[in-house]
Amino acid sequence: GENVEQHPSTLSVQEGDSAVIKCTYSDSASNYFPWYKQELGKGPQLIIDIRSNVGEKKDQRIAVTLNKTAKHFSLHITETQPEDSAVYFCAALNNAGNMLTFGGGTRLMVKP
Amino acid sequence: DGGITQSPKYLFRKEGQNVTLSCEQNLNHDAMYWYRQDPGQGLRLIYYSQIVNDFQKGDIAEGYSVSREKKESFPLTVTSAQKNPTAFYLCSSSASQGEQPQHFGDGTRLSIL
Repeated sequence: GENVEQHPSTLSVQEGDSAVIKCTYSDSASNYFPWYKQELGKGPQLIIDIRSNVGEKKDQRIAVTLNKTAKHFSLHITETQPEDSAVYFCAALNNAGNMLTFGGGTRLMVKP
Repeated sequence: DGGITQSPKYLFRKEGQNVTLSCEQNLNHDAMYWYRQDPGQGLRLIYYSQIVNDFQKGDIAEGYSVSREKKESFPLTVTSAQKNPTAFYLCSSSASQGEQPQHFGDGTRLSIL
């Protein structure tokens, strides 16, 4: 089955700096890669996603890049703000479209 | 507002007791999912349902059961066979099989008394 690894597990940045979180996946047939933000005591919220037919997608301060050959994808947050502090999860969808496999999460702390 | 409602927010289970977690959605989604989240870890799939009256086991189905009698409801029962049930349980839905993204509820935290 699919295996998704996420790094780093914790990330601390100064407000205004950029943050990068990286994920690798094992199943080359996976074709959809979402990123979720989870605040304490809440469910994950989708922040951005990318499909395997594109290499990059951007939404304001958030961008995701995908390298299908290397089987890795990354989340980039620019101009970080304290409210970006949360746990971020990457995930990969199997080819059958019925199972998302999640990475272990990254706790991002943005220091004012 | 359209969304996913999980209840209760906190739940306590005694030894040998079955408990049922509720998940309701008004998004008219066909597919629904249950995940377990342990502290500092990612989400693991327990069960999923692509359509009413059908459901499939995920990676960690042992000790759990589900039903899907109505499109909007997908309750999860944590049985006494689940020896380590303390976790945060998350329900999600998507428009249909293969359609993404999944939208999540705010979870139920289950603890053992």
